[in-house]
Amino acid sequence: KAGVTQTPRYLIKTRGQQVTLSCSPISGHRSVSWYQQTPGQGLQFLFEYFSETQRNKGNFPGRFSGRQFSNSRSEMNVSTLELGDSALYLCASSLADSPRSYEQYFGPGTRLTVT
Amino acid sequence: AQSVTQLDSQVPVFEEAPVELRCNYSSSVSVYLFWYVQYPNQGLQLLLKYLSGSTLVKGINGFEAEFNKSQTSFHLRKPSVHISDTAEYFCAVRANSGNTPLVFGKGTRLSVIA
Repeated sequence: KAGVTQTPRYLIKTRGQQVTLSCSPISGHRSVSWYQQTPGQGLQFLFEYFSETQRNKGNFPGRFSGRQFSNSRSEMNVSTLELGDSALYLCASSLADSPRSYEQYFGPGTRLTVT
Repeated sequence: AQSVTQLDSQVPVFEEAPVELRCNYSSSVSVYLFWYVQYPNQGLQLLLKYLSGSTLVKGINGFEAEFNKSQTSFHLRKPSVHISDTAEYFCAVRANSGNTPLVFGKGTRLSVIA
């Protein structure tokens, strides 16, 4: 099976701009979770989508949003970028149709740099 | 809610020496526990998981971990490390019921010295 793919891998944006990141989960996985990874804060949970519905949400401002399509592919959007949004954004997919099937498989991440 | 504390931010160890990376968790309900590894410029890879059953869990690359419910710990061990084990290691926890998200520790940087 192909793994989780994320596009683009690297991105440079300017403060105030918006950005959209994409994640394609492993075939058959219906859950996609997004994380922000920074040296200071570590891995922070952004949100999880399951069958096109947001199932969980982390403690991030409304500038961070996401969605999931019927083919389970997911996008996250960050509007009005700030310097502090510079981070590695990781996507993970899982079956997640029962608590025991929650094992997450991670993509390589998108490195976002805001200047 | 669950939380994870990785007690060491950095662990240097000589090649072929044993290593233990410590992880403690907090939860008011029963949990599932995971260890992930992240190599430079890559995503996270699952090393091992504890769902139920035997408290000693064996994973990939010769790693193992022991679930200790009374001490709320899930320490990761390897009897003999290699240079290639140099990476960031993350402990994670989630409740074993419901749909709560995975909660990660801050990570432990393992540096293997030749």
